[in-house]
Amino acid sequence: NAGVTQTPKFQVLKTGQSMTLQCAQDMNHEYMSWYRQDPGMGLRLIHYSVGAGITDQGEVPNGYNVSRSTTEDFPLRLLSAAPSQTSVYFCASSYDRVPYNSPLHFGNGTRLTVT
Amino acid sequence: AQSVAQPEDQVNVAEGNPLTVKCTYSVSGNPYLFWYVQYPNRGLQFLLKYITGDNLVKGSYGFEAEFNKSQTSFHLKKPSALVSDSALYFCAVRDGRGYSSASKIIFGSGTRLSIRP
Repeated sequence: NAGVTQTPKFQVLKTGQSMTLQCAQDMNHEYMSWYRQDPGMGLRLIHYSVGAGITDQGEVPNGYNVSRSTTEDFPLRLLSAAPSQTSVYFCASSYDRVPYNSPLHFGNGTRLTVT
Repeated sequence: AQSVAQPEDQVNVAEGNPLTVKCTYSVSGNPYLFWYVQYPNRGLQFLLKYITGDNLVKGSYGFEAEFNKSQTSFHLKKPSALVSDSALYFCAVRDGRGYSSASKIIFGSGTRLSIRP
């Protein structure tokens, strides 16, 4: 049972490049989300999904796109990377569509640097 | 809008002493509150939650948290700290009203707990 798997672990991009951060879970969780972690800012919610085909914006969605075509996968796309997107990105999932009764399960993160 | 504040960036405690990590919140509706811990180069791990019921919630690794509605606080506590408790601790809140807002869990800025031997 792998839990939540994020790839890649590290990535360096040049300004303007695009890339996709991958997130997959094998726990049949309905709820999935993306956070970014910055020093002194804690974790900020980027986008979330309560099931396949359903996504919504979090606190800081600008510059990021998501889709949820399957229950297992929730990729995060950066269309045109900017230095302000340098951060550590975490994917998290939860069994419940409304994640208050079951805890969030986190991946180990993707460290992204934009130069 | 819901929010959560952790007023201390760092807490230093001697091993064997009690520890408290503070958290205050602001929500509309009933609060759903959580504590998570993060060890270096890892994702967050769930410690405990408050939904309803007893104001003292027990969680993993001997941690507990006290919910205080009048002070809108949810402080994390442990009677006797261990060096291995040194980590980054996050308080989180979910607004209890509305379907769309119910799906958002908002985290505080984190408190680094350092336990000295």
